[in-house]
Amino acid sequence: GAVVSQHPSRVICKSGTSVKIECRSLDFQATTMFWYRQFPKKSLMLMATSNEGSKATYEQGVEKDKFLINHASLTLSTLTVTSAHPEDSSFYICSARDWGLAGRDTYNEQFFGPGTRLTVL
Amino acid sequence: AQSVTQLDSQVPVFEEAPVELRCNYSSSVSVYLFWYVQYPNQGLQLLLKYLSGSTLVESINGFEAEFNKSQTSFHLRKPSVHISDTAEYFCAVSGSGYSTLTFGKGTMLLVSP
Repeated sequence: GAVVSQHPSRVICKSGTSVKIECRSLDFQATTMFWYRQFPKKSLMLMATSNEGSKATYEQGVEKDKFLINHASLTLSTLTVTSAHPEDSSFYICSARDWGLAGRDTYNEQFFGPGTRLTVL
Repeated sequence: AQSVTQLDSQVPVFEEAPVELRCNYSSSVSVYLFWYVQYPNQGLQLLLKYLSGSTLVESINGFEAEFNKSQTSFHLRKPSVHISDTAEYFCAVSGSGYSTLTFGKGTMLLVSP
């Protein structure tokens, strides 16, 4: 099955520093990856859609200058949290889109990474 | 636009008892439905999905879900739960093509001895 990895799994940083999180599709090429944020006991909130070779599409309310996304290759997308603050502490999950067939229709299925726990002190 | 409603935020159940986790959706187009499971501090794992064909879909670990178009539901069931089934369960809906996944708020299944 399709495997998506994330690195690091946990990161602790000081307020004001920047943190980079990597998302890799290990056995398939993904032109599109997604970045989610999950607060404790909450559902996943889609932050942005990362498209290979073009700018990411951010959801309403997500600061694009704060959460920089780069999708430089078909297997790698990175999320950089710039000038992190304690309120940015969260669980960040990425997913990679692959395509499947449902009858004559195509549907997109997302495969999720294991998540990255960010703690900003 | 599409949306997913999981009415139960938490479902406590005893081991070996049956369980049903409810999921209702709304969408103006044909849908594909998914159930994901999330164990603590982990990412999401696909449990099962409905794409087309038989409305009853099953997972390898005993869960099943039935797509009911008239009631716009995709409830998840298991006839006998284990302690290891304790986790957060998310229902999600997607349309065809470039549609994104829309998640419900999740249901925490708590299985106790």
